[in-house]
Amino acid sequence: KNQVEQSPQSLIILEGKNCTLQCNYTVSPFSNLRWYKQDTGRGPVSLTIMTFSENTKSNGRYTATLDADTKQSSLHITASQLSDSASYICVVSAASGAGSYQLTFGKGTKLSVIP
Amino acid sequence: GAGVSQSPSNKVTEKGKDVELRCDPISGHTALYWYRQSLGQGLEFLIYFQGNSAPDKSGLPSDRFSAERTGGSVSTLTIQRTQQEDSAVYLCASSPRTGAEAFFGQGTRLTVV
Repeated sequence: KNQVEQSPQSLIILEGKNCTLQCNYTVSPFSNLRWYKQDTGRGPVSLTIMTFSENTKSNGRYTATLDADTKQSSLHITASQLSDSASYICVVSAASGAGSYQLTFGKGTKLSVIP
Repeated sequence: GAGVSQSPSNKVTEKGKDVELRCDPISGHTALYWYRQSLGQGLEFLIYFQGNSAPDKSGLPSDRFSAERTGGSVSTLTIQRTQQEDSAVYLCASSPRTGAEAFFGQGTRLTVV
């Protein structure tokens, strides 16, 4: 069964500090992996997408990594800001037959950045 | 519309009443997902529709929950005889057949009193 596991479940860090969120998946056959940011009271929005051949991708202070061999991804946030407080959700896409793809969602990591 | 639309945005209902939550996915998206987030909890999968295939209902927590998707577009999530533990934000997402990206609605905040 396709699964996406995220850790930690929640995290509190001081403003300005760095942090790393983890995503492990057992989805197969892998197509792509996306990290989403969900601000309080809003729907999640995509931060970055990783395909099989990509190891690292940056989007401002966010850097995502992917190790397709170990089926792990991480999201590193540098010099955190109060506005980074949100839930971060890992979503993995896999072919499900007949040319369609199914997405498997992690439960998310709730990040709180405090002054 | 330009994005996934959910209605209502907020719903307060009395325990024991039935509720219907609606999701309008992005036009042309074949896949539609329902998730819920209870207070302080992560995303919980409910049901997945893909085209005309039989839906994956494995996440529905009880037989009080049901969902349908008419004409491969609009979806309705129905909760019968609501209970207080049903209080949560119900999120809908749609994606194209290629599975390139999921687009989320703003969610429906359901409060059962």
